[in-house]
Amino acid sequence: DAGVIQSPRHEVTEMGQEVTLRCKPISGHNSLFWYRQTMMRGLELLIYFNNNVPIDDSGMPEDRFSAKMPNASFSTLKIQPSEPRDSAVYFCASSPVAGGQETQYFGPGTRLLVL
Amino acid sequence: GDSVTQMEGPVTLSEEAFLTINCTYTATGYPSLFWYVQYPGEGLQLLLKATKADDKGSNKGFEATYRKETTSFHLEKGSVQVSDSAVYFCALSDSRNTPLVFGKGTRLSVIA
Repeated sequence: DAGVIQSPRHEVTEMGQEVTLRCKPISGHNSLFWYRQTMMRGLELLIYFNNNVPIDDSGMPEDRFSAKMPNASFSTLKIQPSEPRDSAVYFCASSPVAGGQETQYFGPGTRLLVL
Repeated sequence: GDSVTQMEGPVTLSEEAFLTINCTYTATGYPSLFWYVQYPGEGLQLLLKATKADDKGSNKGFEATYRKETTSFHLEKGSVQVSDSAVYFCALSDSRNTPLVFGKGTRLSVIA
């Protein structure tokens, strides 16, 4: 079975540009999560969806960040405009349900560098 | 709210040494507990889990026992290998259908 798929794997862009990160969750999973990982702040939950509906976006750092899940097999995280402090590894994860005993399955991540 | 506290790293061990990474938690309910591992350049992956008190999770020689009385879930391995070098995350999920709460991670380096 294919795991969580993320694209691109690496992204280098200049400050002020729009960045779109993509995620395909595991088929049949009902919950999707976006995380950001940096050395300074560790692993942060940005937003999660249940059945394509955003449930909690309190971790989104500011209005420059937005996430969508138009269907059960695709999600995007967009940064517009990007800033150097957005440089991080962004992970997408999916799970059969949001919590309880269920495991989250992580994608390989997108390494973003904003110059 | 729920929280997880891990020992700070980095932890550096020689091959075949005994490993313990401490993890304690705070939760209002009866959470499930997890250890995830992140190898260099990869995403997190589940290492083991335990869903109720006194359960022992185990995988790849790693073990952790859910201790409700001490609110702990310490990760242990009797003999580490260089290939175990990674970042280890303790996490919990309570019964209220909310996402995992992760600790800050502990970096382990095993030298030959």
